[in-house]
Amino acid sequence: DTGVSQDPRHKITKRGQNVTFRCDPISEHNRLYWYRQTLGQGPEFLTYFQNEAQLEKSRLLSDRFSAERPKGSFSTLEIQRTEQGDSAMYLCASRKGQYETQYFGPGTRLLVL
Amino acid sequence: DQQVKQNSPSLSVQEGRISILNCDYTNSMFDYFLWYKKYPAEGPTFLISISSIKDKNEDGRFTVFLNKSAKHLSLHIVPSQPGDSAVYFCAASDGGSEKLVFGKGTKLTVNP
Repeated sequence: DTGVSQDPRHKITKRGQNVTFRCDPISEHNRLYWYRQTLGQGPEFLTYFQNEAQLEKSRLLSDRFSAERPKGSFSTLEIQRTEQGDSAMYLCASRKGQYETQYFGPGTRLLVL
Repeated sequence: DQQVKQNSPSLSVQEGRISILNCDYTNSMFDYFLWYKKYPAEGPTFLISISSIKDKNEDGRFTVFLNKSAKHLSLHIVPSQPGDSAVYFCAASDGGSEKLVFGKGTKLTVNP
């Protein structure tokens, strides 16, 4: 049983650089979610895809953030011109249908210096 | 504003005893609730869920209770084991939204 996978697991970058993260959901899961977790907080919703369509975005997702899911399978989250406040764990989750459980990947920990 | 609140940042119990983790919510539109467990440097792992049409759901050592009138839910772990030591997150959603809203988590330590 293959779970949600994320790559890379860790990323250190300098302020102002662009970074891209990848998420591979559980196969046959058509719904994919991105969350962000900062220290001492629970995960916060960023965006949601159903197949390739991005259907919901949080106001947390500033214009420096963009997410894609081009073929309805894997997804990428790109952060342009990173800031120190972007340092967080970025979590991806997927599920099969609206009333199913969301299953999370291991996360990508980003540190912006 | 915090729609899901876990007011105890930490809880310590002895192995074999009961662990009770609490969660309060403010949004009356929430109709589905979940508990996740998280180890350091890993993603949250689903534990148990409950829909608003029920007031109790059991899965092995884990039981979730929902009190809709009080907007309160709790997770009971019996008996507690050292491997249960982790951060536990309460999460909620409403039928009209795909997103989960999480509390800040409670760090459970089970002492041998």
